[in-house]
Amino acid sequence: DIVMTQTPLYLSVTPGQPASISCKSSQSLLHSDGKTYLYWYLQKAGQPPQLLIYEVSNRFSGVPDRFSGSGSGTDFTLKISRVEAEDVGVYYCMHSVQMWTFGQGTTVEIK
Amino acid sequence: QVQLVQSGAEVKKPGASVKVSCKASGYTFTSFAMHWVRQAPGQSLEWMGWYNADYGNTEYSQKFQGRVTITRDTSASTAYMELSSLRFEDTAVYYCARGGGEPWGQGTQVTVSS
Repeated sequence: DIVMTQTPLYLSVTPGQPASISCKSSQSLLHSDGKTYLYWYLQKAGQPPQLLIYEVSNRFSGVPDRFSGSGSGTDFTLKISRVEAEDVGVYYCMHSVQMWTFGQGTTVEIK
Repeated sequence: QVQLVQSGAEVKKPGASVKVSCKASGYTFTSFAMHWVRQAPGQSLEWMGWYNADYGNTEYSQKFQGRVTITRDTSASTAYMELSSLRFEDTAVYYCARGGGEPWGQGTQVTVSS
């Protein structure tokens, strides 16, 4: 099974500053159809996860453009260009081809 | 709008079964897969299984094989996840999520307690 490893597990960020989360998979996520099914979610306290990025770099509807995703193969990154107070929560990367596999989560807090 | 609404919280004794429902609206229920994910307190998300709408079959995580059953009622646009032989460590919030990654249900708290 594919293992997804996120770093760091905890991030404390000053509002207005950038933040970056890494997600590494134990094998390439490039599918035979040419797509890479790597997603990013934000889970706020007491809520279900909300989709931010799908297929590595596509922002989901309504997601602010301060969020961006990049990467290929086994290495992926979520970047927040300027962190805002509403961005606090736990961020998860997820691989999705039939079964879903999640990273451990990265907790983001505001300094 | 597209949404998934799950059934309410459950408290069960060890060894019992629980069945969680997930009612879909705002889209063609039969055209999309449905996944089930759980989250134990303070833990990450754990995939349990899914209904593959393309092939009309189910697939389960090896961890839950033999204990989980995913079904659906197309006439009611509702998916179900039943977990049997409950253990204390099955205490978690259980989510349904549509294939494609969005939306998710609001979650159902299942507590296993003697």
